[in-house]
Amino acid sequence: GQNIDQPTEMTATEGAIVQINCTYQTSGFNGLFWYQQHAGEAPTFLSYNVLDGLEEKGRFSSFLSRSKGYSYLLLKELQMKDSASYLCAVSPPPDKLIFGTGTRLQVFP
Amino acid sequence: DTAVSQTPKYLVTQMGNDKSIKCEQNLGHDTMYWYKQDSKKFLKIMFSYNNKELIINETVPNRFSPKSPDKAHLNLHINSLELGDSAVYFCASSQGQGGRTDTQYFGPGTRLTVL
Repeated sequence: GQNIDQPTEMTATEGAIVQINCTYQTSGFNGLFWYQQHAGEAPTFLSYNVLDGLEEKGRFSSFLSRSKGYSYLLLKELQMKDSASYLCAVSPPPDKLIFGTGTRLQVFP
Repeated sequence: DTAVSQTPKYLVTQMGNDKSIKCEQNLGHDTMYWYKQDSKKFLKIMFSYNNKELIINETVPNRFSPKSPDKAHLNLHINSLELGDSAVYFCASSQGQGGRTDTQYFGPGTRLTVL
């Protein structure tokens, strides 16, 4: 079966660092995506990992361990505009995404 | 320049009606998708098409029928609408060159409310 777990909600303070974890069990693995979704808007692509290790993109980094079925999204120097839901999605066969339930992040001043 | 567009943005209708949602992408992508996001914000794939051919059909009721007149368009027709169909429906597209997972780009969503 397919199962993707992430925390439902997290809170953090402006300027801080937050790590959002994602664990997955899927039949087949073709990569893991992180998307950001602001309330009432479409998901937008943040990162893609297919090999183990850390991918850095500005304030955002994403890590993958395939042997552990584990990923995290690291957000540094948090800003108020980072308040959003963060969706972890795994691709079993090509071009199909299985989404987790998302982590709602609230950033406070 | 809108990459993936959907119409309408909001749709309010009565139970039992038939409605359609349209999606267009100008990214030159080969693969298009329909997702449903329920009230708990869980995003679930419904269908995908690659070059007008149905690739994924995730055990969606027969009342839902996707149609792809060309690879830039994927429409969703829903018959006999039910209360449980109320959700936000997202269209997405990806390069979809087979054997490789490509980033999916999402449209703005259509909020369907069935009364």
